[in-house]
Amino acid sequence: EVQLLESGGGLGQPGGSLRLSCAATGFTLNNFAMSWVRQAPGKGLEWVSFISGTGGITYYAGPVKGRFTISRDTSKNTLYLQMNSLRAGDTALYYCAKDRFSSAAAAGSFDSWGQGTLVVVSS
Amino acid sequence: DIQMTQSPSSLSASVGDRVTITCRASQNIGTSLNWYQQRPGRAPSLLIHGTFSLQSGVPSRFSGSGSGTDFTLTISSLQPEDFATYYCQQSYSTPAWTFGQGTKVEIK
Repeated sequence: EVQLLESGGGLGQPGGSLRLSCAATGFTLNNFAMSWVRQAPGKGLEWVSFISGTGGITYYAGPVKGRFTISRDTSKNTLYLQMNSLRAGDTALYYCAKDRFSSAAAAGSFDSWGQGTLVVVSS
Repeated sequence: DIQMTQSPSSLSASVGDRVTITCRASQNIGTSLNWYQQRPGRAPSLLIHGTFSLQSGVPSRFSGSGSGTDFTLTISSLQPEDFATYYCQQSYSTPAWTFGQGTKVEIK
């Protein structure tokens, strides 16, 4: 059974940093692409970042480009999101989501989701 | 970015009703359209991918149709567990994937 468990959320200062983790079980990160998707309180879903199954391709949404970095540790089967230069607009529940495919060309549909970790950016 | 617009934003329906939700893309996305269900306090779950294909384990009362810019999610006979928010999402424009604003299905 596929399971995704996010952690690392909390209160972050504007301009500060947080690192989110997503521990995956039931499948191998090497075989599937992964994304982070966020949901601001009471709002809809926003795709944030992507990493391919090989780890060689990463993408970012415009609002986070240059501030967030997606990575993974295949020995731990864990996905990360390093969040720097935090802004109030980054306040959201952050989900990690498993893609149906490994490659970037076929990616973009998310068949398993974690329960999310809440990030609040406030002074 | 491709804009996805859902209608209605919310609807009230009774158990057993046939429910239709529409999603419109700001440009042609072929059939690269996915639907997700999000129950209150829960993570989203994939219902339909590639406009028509039911995700494994999803009841057959859910179906999808459309192509190009106009898409539809239909629930043939609404069940109590279907009261949730539904999101469409385009996977055409890699990597700028975008979601609709959501349609909340409430109990009448």
